[in-house]
Amino acid sequence: QKEVEQNSGPLSVPEGAIASLNCTYSDRGSQSFFWYRQYSGKSPELIMFIYSNGDKEDGRFTAQLNKASQYVSLLIRDSQPSDSATYLCAVHNDMRFGAGTRLTVKP
Amino acid sequence: DVKVTQSSRYLVKRTGEKVFLECVQDMDHENMFWYRQDPGLGLRLIYFSYDVKMKEKGDIPEGYSVSREKKERFSLILESASTNQTSMYLCASSSRSGGPKRGPYNEQFFGPGTRLTVL
Repeated sequence: QKEVEQNSGPLSVPEGAIASLNCTYSDRGSQSFFWYRQYSGKSPELIMFIYSNGDKEDGRFTAQLNKASQYVSLLIRDSQPSDSATYLCAVHNDMRFGAGTRLTVKP
Repeated sequence: DVKVTQSSRYLVKRTGEKVFLECVQDMDHENMFWYRQDPGLGLRLIYFSYDVKMKEKGDIPEGYSVSREKKERFSLILESASTNQTSMYLCASSSRSGGPKRGPYNEQFFGPGTRLTVL
């Protein structure tokens, strides 16, 4: 059974801090990794995707992938209260999502 | 603007009823998906379609069927609704990737969801 695991949280950080969200996956052949943000009562929306080992930056967001360790993470710099949401890690070639990590950014 | 729509936001049905959930996308996407989302379990794939009339079972297909007669429309059918099918149902679509498989590798766009309650 292919699994995608996330710490369900809640993760609480103060405004302006770095939030670090982690995800592990079991299928060593996984290729495509996505991070979605889901506000309460809303649908998931894409933040970033990453296919290659290393870091990928987009504004305040950095995705990190380590295929040897089967680990993908999302860093949010200068966290804002508007970042408070559930963050879903997804492995699209397996069509699997993690259960999500709930992030709260406190003003 | 990218759009995936679902036929209902809220639905209440009785045990044993046949339930139809419809999803329409206007992006000419090849891939369409039906998920259910439950607290603590995340999104679980029910069925996936990569082309008209084509479908593949996901992780939890039992008690569900699907229909894709037109590219833009993907329907989820609960043949005989049960209380354990009370959930949030999310439809999504994505364009076909250029990878070695036909594969659902690209960004998925989600509809607003249907919250189904089975009494």
